[in-house]
Amino acid sequence: DTAVSQTPKYLVTQMGNDKSIKCEQNLGHDTMYWYKQDSKKFLKIMFSYNNKELIINETVPNRFSPKSPDKAHLNLHINSLELGDSAVYFCASSHPNTGELFFGEGSRLTVL
Amino acid sequence: AQTVTQSQPEMSVQEAETVTLSCTYDTSENNYYLFWYKQPPSRQMILVIRQEAYKQQNATENRFSVNFQKAAKSFSLKISDSQLGDTAMYFCAFAPSSGTYKYIFGTGTRLKVLA
Repeated sequence: DTAVSQTPKYLVTQMGNDKSIKCEQNLGHDTMYWYKQDSKKFLKIMFSYNNKELIINETVPNRFSPKSPDKAHLNLHINSLELGDSAVYFCASSHPNTGELFFGEGSRLTVL
Repeated sequence: AQTVTQSQPEMSVQEAETVTLSCTYDTSENNYYLFWYKQPPSRQMILVIRQEAYKQQNATENRFSVNFQKAAKSFSLKISDSQLGDTAMYFCAFAPSSGTYKYIFGTGTRLKVLA
């Protein structure tokens, strides 16, 4: 029943490793997003896809690579993890008529 | 560039009292959406209330209402009869309705409701 679901909810890993977060939405929305929330709770957009096409890429390091195999899925792969990548990553999708963002539960990434 | 400013990092209110959270924004767009999202300790982002810029009437959702002043670019949230469950971070957000899909969030206000 979950509208936007992310896995895993928690990741703990060492510097230099690679990790992926998966996101799926069952709302039929065309547009999906990745947001990063840092330790001060600031929410910053990273990427946005509209119907599998990248439309927003906000000066994110090349180590971050989003992939959208279809409009219901948006995954995030991170290479060579750094301490500063520790954050909560939120996936979201937007309703085309109301503009409302629907968020997943977030994935807390801790890099040691 | 659009910006959203929340000037109150933290606020507290007694249970059953009323509190107002401030938000100002800057944009050259004429049509846009404004939102208030709540993030409780569970970290789930929950929509509290939504306003369309072309509508002059202020949005209300039960105990939550907004004071939308388009000319002043102000969008404050009023919570009436505050409850302990209202304790959370509150984020003001802006999105153009022109389809650029770029949602901008304020830095948040941490609200604590005191028993």
